[in-house]
Amino acid sequence: EADIYQTPRYLVIGTGKKITLECSQTMGHDKMYWYQQDPGMELHLIHYSYGVNSTEKGDLSSESTVSRIRTEHFPLTLESARPSHTSQYLCASSGPSQGSYEQYFGPGTRLTVT
Amino acid sequence: SQKIEQNSEALNIQEGKTATLTCNYTNYSPAYLQWYRQDPGRGPVFLLLIRENEKEKRKERLKVTFDTTLKQSLFHITASQPADSATYLCASQGRPGGYNKLIFGAGTRLAVHP
Repeated sequence: EADIYQTPRYLVIGTGKKITLECSQTMGHDKMYWYQQDPGMELHLIHYSYGVNSTEKGDLSSESTVSRIRTEHFPLTLESARPSHTSQYLCASSGPSQGSYEQYFGPGTRLTVT
Repeated sequence: SQKIEQNSEALNIQEGKTATLTCNYTNYSPAYLQWYRQDPGRGPVFLLLIRENEKEKRKERLKVTFDTTLKQSLFHITASQPADSATYLCASQGRPGGYNKLIFGAGTRLAVHP
């Protein structure tokens, strides 16, 4: 079944640790996105990719980095986690054809940095 | 800057009634508006997309309108059910953000009571 997956679903980690949030999709979509969402607030785009080896920063400044080495995989990395990084991180994908604008979201990763 | 505004107050309605949610945009003219449903702790799920040259779009019990004069979209759920209780997000795309990026509102929480 075509879907989009995120792991872990929940993560509690100490300040200064390096973390990688995983996102994979099996829909063959070319475009992938990372959003950050705090409770009751808007989704803010922090990174996006239009294809392999293509990554761009989004509208919200973020200390995280991303990579897109394979079409289906779009991991997000925080080199040194801080309490200000505590949030919900949502991965999404869209495509593959021109004009396919709706986005499909994963279940999210709830990150808590202590 | 571009902004999507949704009513932050929760909407409480009785089962069987029509729920109407509002989305207003300022300082730009999006080419499309999308509506998503988000349940607590989950990623958003795409519901409907409406283009600026479409006045109205329907899907089963859902109806969306797009009024470019009022800079507003209305989202209706007819014959509402308790299972419709969720947060509903409005998102814009195109002009000037580009067709592959979405600007989200903070959402309106809908509670349907039996």
